[in-house]
Amino acid sequence: GIQVEQSPPDLILQEGANSTLRCNFSDSVNNLQWFHQNPWGQLINLFYIPSGTKQNGRLSATTVATERYSLLYISSSQTTDSGVYFCAVGNTGFQKLVFGTGTRLLVSP
Amino acid sequence: NAGVTQTPKFRILKIGQSMTLQCTQDMNHNYMYWYRQDPGMGLKLIYYSVGAGITDKGEVPNGYNVSRSTTEDFPLRLELAAPSQTSVYFCASTPPELETRDTQYFGPGTRLTVL
Repeated sequence: GIQVEQSPPDLILQEGANSTLRCNFSDSVNNLQWFHQNPWGQLINLFYIPSGTKQNGRLSATTVATERYSLLYISSSQTTDSGVYFCAVGNTGFQKLVFGTGTRLLVSP
Repeated sequence: NAGVTQTPKFRILKIGQSMTLQCTQDMNHNYMYWYRQDPGMGLKLIYYSVGAGITDKGEVPNGYNVSRSTTEDFPLRLELAAPSQTSVYFCASTPPELETRDTQYFGPGTRLTVL
């Protein structure tokens, strides 16, 4: 099956800093989503982005499907950005997703 | 809309006991999913359903059963609980319309410990 690798596994930032999270996948996909899991465990969808670029406030994402990677950019980070960021991909229909192991982000004040 | 709701929030089981994790969504989504998340790991798909009466196995279905009698409800059944099933269980749903290209919406999770 498809493999998903995320990097870095852990990231510590000062408030206000920018960061880039990477997701590599081993096969072509027709579905790629980014999620944020907050410190209380809730999973929130950030982007549906199987290709192209999207922006939502301080967050943006780019997927280069031909090169099998996606990037999540966080600008002017805030303490509320802390948590785990997951990339999930799918290529078998019915929105079945394979998750990476996540990037754990800690933003300190 | 309440979105995706799950009950219970926490549960401790003894080895060999059985239980049902409840999941309900009020968004009229056809597609529903059950995932488990082990500590420090990503989510793994247990079962999914594309509509009432239709279910199929995901990546890690062993030890679990599901049913889908209505669009709203998608319960997950553990028949003989084992310590390896200690995990956090998430239910999710999504509309199937390709035009919306929508993301999955997750419930708050059920933290299960098997002792």
